[in-house]
Amino acid sequence: DQQVKQNSPSLSVQEGRISILNCDYTNSMFDYFLWYKKYPAEGPTFLISISSIKDKNEDGRFTVFLNKSAKHLSLHIVPSQPGDSAVYFCAANPSGNTPLVFGKGTRLSVIA
Amino acid sequence: DGGITQSPKYLFRKEGQNVTLSCEQNLNHDAMYWYRQDPGQGLRLIYYSQIVNDFQKGDIAEGYSVSREKKESFPLTVTSAQKNPTAFYLCASSTPTGVGYGYTFGSGTRLTVV
Repeated sequence: DQQVKQNSPSLSVQEGRISILNCDYTNSMFDYFLWYKKYPAEGPTFLISISSIKDKNEDGRFTVFLNKSAKHLSLHIVPSQPGDSAVYFCAANPSGNTPLVFGKGTRLSVIA
Repeated sequence: DGGITQSPKYLFRKEGQNVTLSCEQNLNHDAMYWYRQDPGQGLRLIYYSQIVNDFQKGDIAEGYSVSREKKESFPLTVTSAQKNPTAFYLCASSTPTGVGYGYTFGSGTRLTVV
């Protein structure tokens, strides 16, 4: 049973517009959430994170929003650039030292 | 410069062979992980180790084995019991920092059965 769900396998956005990637989770004990970006044939790289005590975290063009009551988080990229084209993974940190739980990823294509 | 090194980048295995994927880190991280990526499946956890000489099975451990004799090294062996080994394998390491922690990933090994 998937605890972290990314229901959109792919997303296409025009350059300069906003990209919104969504992630839902089922475990209310998750206390930290992360987004990773992955290019083909490379390892994922950390993008941005948010603690469950916050509802927003911003880093340049990237903003993550957390809605705990809905168990939903989203990653906003504004403005989108062709170099943002990649697979984005949402991940959640269970309590203790158990490994991160990853979603299946969303492939973002930014069209010039 | 600290990081995680996975080798080889590409690996070909014949049916019935065991192969070992290397993962070395110089980040002084305590925990290390092996994930497998298949199209449409995301990252699935194979094994993880939080301390030297100890490791735990992940969600898809069948057909794989690991060892953690040194803090820096966490090799993964894909045995002949793994029925569908063709995939992209990712190693990661982490250390807890505050409320949450993130992983540093290697660049991956693509394994193909021929």
